[in-house]
Amino acid sequence: KAGVTQTPRYLIKTRGQQVTLSCSPISGHRSVSWYQQTPGQGLQFLFEYFSETQRNKGNFPGRFSGRQFSNSRSEMNVSTLELGDSALYLCASSLTLDRVGRDNYGYTFGSGTRLTVV
Amino acid sequence: ELKVEQNPLFLSMQEGKNYTIYCNYSTTSDRLYWYRQDPGKSLESLFVLLSNGAVKQEGRLMASLDTKARLSTLHITAAVHDLSATYFCAVDIYYQGAQKLVFGQGTRLTINP
Repeated sequence: KAGVTQTPRYLIKTRGQQVTLSCSPISGHRSVSWYQQTPGQGLQFLFEYFSETQRNKGNFPGRFSGRQFSNSRSEMNVSTLELGDSALYLCASSLTLDRVGRDNYGYTFGSGTRLTVV
Repeated sequence: ELKVEQNPLFLSMQEGKNYTIYCNYSTTSDRLYWYRQDPGKSLESLFVLLSNGAVKQEGRLMASLDTKARLSTLHITAAVHDLSATYFCAVDIYYQGAQKLVFGQGTRLTINP
């Protein structure tokens, strides 16, 4: 089956601009999570969506936002980009049978979007 | 705040040797994952550990979970160069109404011929 697809793979933006990243989960997966990876902070949780609802959010400023569509595809948006937003952004999809249940397969990550802010 | 600590953070070893990476975490969880990351790449799932005492093996890698000690180990047997990568453990916790992963810092493993 197809994996988790993230687009674009690479992105270069200027400070102050905004950016939108896309993630298409594995077919049938309803939960999409987003993580930021930087050399200094490691892998950090951004937010998670299930059935078009944001269920939780990590400790990031309001410039970071996201949404999920009815087909489970998700987008994240970063506005007013700062140099420190340069990172690898990873999305993960999981089956999550219901609002609290978890499957036994864990999370599958996409290839990531490498964002460089100059 | 949950902390997940891996050690060592850097490991250089010779081919053919055995070694263990440790992952300690500070809160209750019954679910832990190990991932591999090659330079510039995404996270590849290695093991899903779902309960106390879980042990899984794949090739030269074996992972275990002790939820009472809040400890997971990733054991490498007779290392080969292809295993050079960064390895992350991640604890699955319930947070604000849903699950999320909290990652360790990663262990950069270099295996020398």
